[in-house]
Amino acid sequence: GAVVSQHPSWVICKSGTSVKIECRSLDFQATTMFWYRQFPKQSLMLMATSNEGSKATYEQGVEKDKFLINHASLTLSTLTVTSAHPEDSSFYICSASGTSGPARDTQYFGPGTRLTVL
Amino acid sequence: GNSVTQMEGPVTLSEEAFLTINCTYTATGYPSLFWYVQYPGEGLQLLLKATKADDKGSNKGFEATYRKETTSFHLEKGSVQVSDSAVYFCALSESGANSKLTFGKGITLSVRP
Repeated sequence: GAVVSQHPSWVICKSGTSVKIECRSLDFQATTMFWYRQFPKQSLMLMATSNEGSKATYEQGVEKDKFLINHASLTLSTLTVTSAHPEDSSFYICSASGTSGPARDTQYFGPGTRLTVL
Repeated sequence: GNSVTQMEGPVTLSEEAFLTINCTYTATGYPSLFWYVQYPGEGLQLLLKATKADDKGSNKGFEATYRKETTSFHLEKGSVQVSDSAVYFCALSESGANSKLTFGKGITLSVRP
């Protein structure tokens, strides 16, 4: 199958600091990666879509200067939450899809990162 | 725009009971349809998918058939287990999953021993 990892799995930080979350496709080339945010007992909210080597496309209402996304290679995308505040505390999940193999036309999800901002 | 509607939850069943979780969709084109499962504290796992009308997706005893005439993709399992307790999301994407996924709200399934 297609495996996606995230690191870290959980992070606690102080208000005002920045946090970087990594998303990796372990066994396929991820031409497209997606970043979601999930609040407790709710569905996933798409934050942005990134294609390798291109700027991310952000959904309406998502602050691009606050949630920096980089997709520098076909196996790695990063989400940096800048100047984090308690309201940014959430579960962040990435997904990835490719153009061949099991990940063709199908998004595979990472295990998620729990961010708590104190 | 696209939308996915799932039946209201939560759903509680006894072990070995039959499961049906309803999902209907609205889309402008011919979407691919997916069921994802989320276990507590984890990300989403692809459970099954179908890419065209009348396709049946199946995995781990779960099945769902892409019904274009009723715009539905209901999830079924003949005999649930305690380990099936999780949140189930129905989703669609236009022209493959390199495009956005539109999710339903999700439904929590609890299976009692």
